[in-house]
Amino acid sequence: KQEVTQIPAALSVPEGENLVLNCSFTDSAIYNLQWFRQDPGKGLTSLLLIQSSQREQTSGRLNASLDKSSGRSTLYIAASQPGDSATYLCAVRRVDSNYQLIWGAGTKLIIKP
Amino acid sequence: SQTIHQWPATLVQPVGSPLSLECTVEGTSNPNLYWYRQAAGRGLQLLFYSIGIDQISSEVPQNLSASRPQDRQFILSSKKLLLSDSGFYLCAWARGLQETQYFGPGTRLLVL
Repeated sequence: KQEVTQIPAALSVPEGENLVLNCSFTDSAIYNLQWFRQDPGKGLTSLLLIQSSQREQTSGRLNASLDKSSGRSTLYIAASQPGDSATYLCAVRRVDSNYQLIWGAGTKLIIKP
Repeated sequence: SQTIHQWPATLVQPVGSPLSLECTVEGTSNPNLYWYRQAAGRGLQLLFYSIGIDQISSEVPQNLSASRPQDRQFILSSKKLLLSDSGFYLCAWARGLQETQYFGPGTRLLVL
């Protein structure tokens, strides 16, 4: 059974720092992995999607990596800003069961001005 | 462009009352549609998904049901709410099972 874990559950850093959010999964047989952002009381916004054959994806100040063999992904945020404050969720897409997404519980990130 | 709407935004209901949450998508046809529940501090739980107007799959046994009366409309219902039904309900759409899912703004349900 696929399980997705995100550590830490919460993180608070000063503005301007570079930071890394972690996501681990138990079954390496995945189709792809996505990182989402959720603002308080809002829906989710897709940030980056990494196919199982890829090692990383970049969008602006965000870089996501994938190491399928070790069951890990990281989301790197460069030069953090207060507007980056949100909960970041990781989800892996199964290759069976109609490609369902299996979700981590998220990391709540606070960037202090 | 495509947009997804959910209503109501917030709902407070007594235990044992019925429920109807609505989700509609604009700007696309024959989307895959999903209902998720998000409990505090936990990952999203897939409740139902639909790949067509007469094709709805249930992922978790519960007192909830889903219907798709139109191609771009997805309804989540219950005949009698339980306290444990409280949570944040999210609707999403996608072009295919392997494609990125796009989420609505969510409905916060509190059952008292």
